[in-house]
Amino acid sequence: AQKITQTQPGMFVQEKEAVTLDCTYDTSDQSYGLFWYKQPSSGEMIFLIYQGSYDEQNATEGRYSLNFQKARKSANLVISASQLGDSAMYFCAMREGYGNKLVFGAGTILRVKS
Amino acid sequence: DSGVTQTPKHLITATGQRVTLRCSPRSGDLSVYWYQQSLDQGLQFLIQYYNGEERAKGNILERFSAQQFPDLHSELNLSSLELGDSALYFCASSQQGGYGYTFGSGTRLTVV
Repeated sequence: AQKITQTQPGMFVQEKEAVTLDCTYDTSDQSYGLFWYKQPSSGEMIFLIYQGSYDEQNATEGRYSLNFQKARKSANLVISASQLGDSAMYFCAMREGYGNKLVFGAGTILRVKS
Repeated sequence: DSGVTQTPKHLITATGQRVTLRCSPRSGDLSVYWYQQSLDQGLQFLIQYYNGEERAKGNILERFSAQQFPDLHSELNLSSLELGDSALYFCASSQQGGYGYTFGSGTRLTVV
């Protein structure tokens, strides 16, 4: 079974608008972490935001926020005020327990239109 | 600079050959992870080392092997290369008990 599911292969958003990238996960662990990474066309993996399973507040980092719904096992990334530079592939990932590997979803390609 | 150094950045080699990819983790990080990113398989976890010991194994082919040295750098060896091994290979490192993972810029391997 897929541990991380990203159902949107591609998304378009108008510049300056907000966009939500979906991510659902599957785990039986009580302790886990959820991550979002950005991969621009240059290829590097850029860490965006982290949410721990015990965190009560949704994580925020600048224009990025994570809409964490534990009961639904979803961890959607919200990008506010989209910029042209946000055009990239976005990956959702999960770590079960501590010190363990990250498991990645298939990714969502985001294109920001001017 | 993320702090994780991968060399070389690009590698072009012929089928049947053997290559070695190198990774130096961020200072203080004991864990090293190797990932393969290809168009058809996405980001696949290959193997993890922690302080010189193999900790977890993923979808790593028998033709592939890795090790982590006492200075904590790691090498991924790919042998009997096939066209399908063409991919972007990432190394990431993390601290013990920490939640952050730092990725290197990757090695793009092209097998011709």
